[in-house]
Amino acid sequence: EVQLVESGGGLVKPGSSLKLSCVASGFTFSSYGMHWIRQAPKKGLEWIALIYYDSSNKYYADSVKGRFTISRDNSKNTLYLEMNSLRSEDTAMYYCAKTYDGTYSFAYWGQGTLVTVSS
Amino acid sequence: DVVMTQTPVSLSVSLGGQVSISCRSSQSLVHNNGNTYLSWYLQKPGQSPQLLIYKVSNRFSGISDRFSGSGSGTDFTLKISRVEPDDLGVYYCGQGTQYRTFGGGTKLELK
Repeated sequence: EVQLVESGGGLVKPGSSLKLSCVASGFTFSSYGMHWIRQAPKKGLEWIALIYYDSSNKYYADSVKGRFTISRDNSKNTLYLEMNSLRSEDTAMYYCAKTYDGTYSFAYWGQGTLVTVSS
Repeated sequence: DVVMTQTPVSLSVSLGGQVSISCRSSQSLVHNNGNTYLSWYLQKPGQSPQLLIYKVSNRFSGISDRFSGSGSGTDFTLKISRVEPDDLGVYYCGQGTQYRTFGGGTKLELK
């Protein structure tokens, strides 16, 4: 069974940094691209980053480009999201997600970790 | 960027009834490889989203045949028949043809 467990969220001040983690199990982590998706309170879903299985390619939404960095450690089955220069509009639940093979659809989601940016 | 527009924003339904949700993309979702990567998700209160439909009309594992997806190009529809209490929540369409974007969501409530 695929499991994704995020951690690292919390309350931080504007301009600060935070690093999220997502531990994966139930599949061969090193064979799959992984994503981060966020959801601001009472708002819709926003895809923010993708990393290829071997870290060879990384893609970001314009809203986080230059401030957020996606990375992974295949030896630890762990996905990361390093967030710098945080803004109030980054306040959201952050999900890691895996697609269903060949469909570009998010079939597996973690439970999310909440990031609150407030002074 | 591909913009996904869902209508309506909210929908009221009686148990056992049928509803349709529309999703329109700002560009064709036909990929260079001929596939159309349009998906539908349901987010129940307090839960992470779950995948219902992938590639326009394919039900994900364990999804009831009461859910059906259709459409092509830029216009897509999700139909839910014989609505049950467990179907209530917010429905999102999403595209994977050009990066990834989601629609704004449609909240399904009981009448």
